[in-house]
Amino acid sequence: GAGVSQSPSNKVTEKGKDVELRCDPISGHTALYWYRQSLGQGLEFLIYFQGNSAPDKSGLPSDRFSAERTGGSVSTLTIQRTQQEDSAVYLCASSLEWQDYGYTFGSGTRLTVV
Amino acid sequence: RKEVEQDPGPFNVPEGATVAFNCTYSNSASQSFFWYRQDCRKEPKLLMSVYSSGNEDGRFTAQLNRASQYISLLIRDSKLSDSATYLCVASGYSTLTFGKGTMLLVSP
Repeated sequence: GAGVSQSPSNKVTEKGKDVELRCDPISGHTALYWYRQSLGQGLEFLIYFQGNSAPDKSGLPSDRFSAERTGGSVSTLTIQRTQQEDSAVYLCASSLEWQDYGYTFGSGTRLTVV
Repeated sequence: RKEVEQDPGPFNVPEGATVAFNCTYSNSASQSFFWYRQDCRKEPKLLMSVYSSGNEDGRFTAQLNRASQYISLLIRDSKLSDSATYLCVASGYSTLTFGKGTMLLVSP
């Protein structure tokens, strides 16, 4: 597609439920990143995928968070047993290749845990 | 911890003013630097890269001082449409580290 597509754009969930967030990167972009941004905070790195290499999961805040990228394209971020502190905007970005820092971000998924 | 620090502002300036933002980064291994712009409730968008020699893009000038680990952005002749949050960004090994941003409000 022309840009990075994320769905859903908004998600309200009850505490303790699992959620899945989807990211469809720009076609041909091999690198994909997940960040989150809490109210009044900066972007926090979560996880990074590059081609067929093992993902860099160093930013995931707990084992409730996981992500996968199927076929080198679409990625899904899963949060299990959601907590109120998980409420944030989850942003996905892609770039042409590793260490190409011209990130294109999607418009994000605004997650609210009630 | 590898961080990028910025004054959160807000910077309130009238149209036509010149305004400067600064940030510092702690990772001396960072090689690439950027300014991103983020409008309210929108995603960040790349504004410009920052080079040691300094670089200019229209009304925007960016500077990097590696010795001081300091980055700046100068906006001349501010427009109402420049109102946004400006994110200072430094590269890590494979990802970008973002500052929390400096908010700019340009008034008529």
